[in-house]
Amino acid sequence: GENVEQHPSTLSVQEGDSAVIKCTYSDSASNYFPWYKQELGKGPQLIIDIRSNVGEKKDQRIAVTLNKTAKHFSLHITETQPEDSAVYFCAAVYNNNDMRFGAGTRLTVKP
Amino acid sequence: ETGVTQTPRHLVMGMTNKKSLKCEQHLGHNAMYWYKQSAKKPLELMFVYNFKEQTENNSVPSRFSPECPNSSHLFLHLHTLQPEDSALYLCASSQGGRYNYNEQFFGPGTRLTVL
Repeated sequence: GENVEQHPSTLSVQEGDSAVIKCTYSDSASNYFPWYKQELGKGPQLIIDIRSNVGEKKDQRIAVTLNKTAKHFSLHITETQPEDSAVYFCAAVYNNNDMRFGAGTRLTVKP
Repeated sequence: ETGVTQTPRHLVMGMTNKKSLKCEQHLGHNAMYWYKQSAKKPLELMFVYNFKEQTENNSVPSRFSPECPNSSHLFLHLHTLQPEDSALYLCASSQGGRYNYNEQFFGPGTRLTVL
């Protein structure tokens, strides 16, 4: 089955700086890679996703890159703001319904 | 609001109790999921229902029993749980179908404590 590793587990940045979270996956058949943000007391919410036929995707301050050869993908947040503080999860989907998540990164943006 | 509601939000139960968690989605989706979220561990997929048919059961102990009476409702029946089952239980839904690479919408979760 799929195994997803996520680093770092905690990340603290100054407001305005960039934040990068990295994930690796094990199953080369995985072809959908979403990123979720979870705020306190809420369920995870999709912020961006990428499919295996694309190497990079950007949505305003958030971007995701995918390297299928190396089996890793990354989340990039630029110009971070205090409201970006949350736990971020990467995931990989390797069959129709089975989504495997990384362990999460707790991002703190200090004002 | 994500369109996925879960009740109760908090539940404390003894090991001999029987309780049920309820999930309802108002998004017209056809796939629903149960996840377990424990501290410092990845979200663990427990059950998947696609068009009311259970398609995944990731070696979940029989003390957890899912029920999906229709595509809008999902239950998780709990019986003789263990303290290590204490966790946040998240429900999610998505469009569903054979190739289901679609966004999953999560509810707020039920915080379960087993004494």
